[in-house]
Amino acid sequence: RKEVEQDPGPFNVPEGATVAFNCTYSNSASQSFFWYRQDCRKEPKLLMSVYSSGNEDGRFTAQLNRASQYISLLIRDSKLSDSATYLCVVGGGSQGNLIFGKGTKLSVKP
Amino acid sequence: EADIYQTPRYLVIGTGKKITLECSQTMGHDKMYWYQQDPGMELHLIHYSYGVNSTEKGDLSSESTVSRIRTEHFPLTLESARPSHTSQYLCASSWGGVLGYTFGSGTRLTVV
Repeated sequence: RKEVEQDPGPFNVPEGATVAFNCTYSNSASQSFFWYRQDCRKEPKLLMSVYSSGNEDGRFTAQLNRASQYISLLIRDSKLSDSATYLCVVGGGSQGNLIFGKGTKLSVKP
Repeated sequence: EADIYQTPRYLVIGTGKKITLECSQTMGHDKMYWYQQDPGMELHLIHYSYGVNSTEKGDLSSESTVSRIRTEHFPLTLESARPSHTSQYLCASSWGGVLGYTFGSGTRLTVV
């Protein structure tokens, strides 16, 4: 089992849609969780950290379920500018490094 | 504004040349990392450092080498470039990883 697994995608959605990404991780001792966004041919950028109680930042909501080792990202009212690859990232890898998922590509169409 | 800088942004070089990709950060981060990423593919960790004089190999075997003589500087060197080294190289830094990583803009390397 891979350390961090994400929905394969791609997700093609119309503007205004709500879209959800899921992610599972294998290390139950993981302590830090993030969602990163990567635009085509650009570097990954931190979108938001994920906290146990769940957290929201504008149209973006992240949830963590430690018992199921599951992380989610919900995007409401999708914009064209949300088109990107979303990376699920989990801390607690070997030597404490972050483990990056392969990413899920989102394409928002007019 | 990025506090981690990579140069050059783009590099086209002939086979057999020695190259050094530069990475510098001004945030005083202790940990630094090098990732390799092909277009549309996942990130692969090739080197990391926990501080001055500390370097470790990552999950993906790489023919490159790194050094960490100063906290802010983490250069990557290829002694003899080959076409198989063509890729994007991303440098990142962090304070222990707890707050996530900050990435540089990357170096897109093409070996012809």
